Amino acid sequence: AQTVTQSQPEMSVQEAETVTLSCTYDTSESNYYLFWYKQPPSRQMILVIRQEAYKQQNATENRFSVNFQKAAKSFSLKISDSQLGDTAMYFCAFIRGSNYKLTFGKGTLLTVNP
Amino acid sequence: SQTIHQWPATLVQPVGSPLSLECTVEGTSNPNLYWYRQAAGRGLQLLFYSVGIGQISSEVPQNLSASRPQDRQFILSSKKLLLSDSGFYLCAWSWLGSSTDTQYFGPGTRLTVL
Repeated sequence: AQTVTQSQPEMSVQEAETVTLSCTYDTSESNYYLFWYKQPPSRQMILVIRQEAYKQQNATENRFSVNFQKAAKSFSLKISDSQLGDTAMYFCAFIRGSNYKLTFGKGTLLTVNP
Repeated sequence: SQTIHQWPATLVQPVGSPLSLECTVEGTSNPNLYWYRQAAGRGLQLLFYSVGIGQISSEVPQNLSASRPQDRQFILSSKKLLLSDSGFYLCAWSWLGSSTDTQYFGPGTRLTVL
């Protein structure tokens, strides 16, 4: 079974600084995709970034980027120039080919302080 | 653009009462549809998914059921609610034809069973 582990239950960062959230996963599959979702206090789950396992290049989306280490099964999220609106729960998620099911980690609560 | 709606936003129900949560997607045809549940302090757990009208796959055996009466409508139901059914229920959609496409989430329904 696939598992996703987020080892940091809570983190905080000062506004305008950079923070990295960790995620590791366990799978024997070769065809899979990884995601970071953000859940602000409104609780709507919002896609932050997506990474295809077959791509060596790390995905980036404006201030958000990932460090995808396939051999180590690590998928960390870097947030640059943190903003107050980045305060949210961040979930790492995994899906394997032909499965439809997103497997989520337990989340990291990120607080951006002014 | 695509929009996903869920209602009601909040629901308080007594144990043993029936349940009906509705999810509707606009701006796309034949989407894959999903129901997830988020218990307090946890990530999301997939309950059901549908790749077409009348096609429902269950991931977790329980007293909940799902139906897809129309192409872009997904219903989550229960005949008799249990206390353990309390949680935050999220509907999601993805493009038809791929099991690994990004899933986009609705605003959710907070269900409290008393």
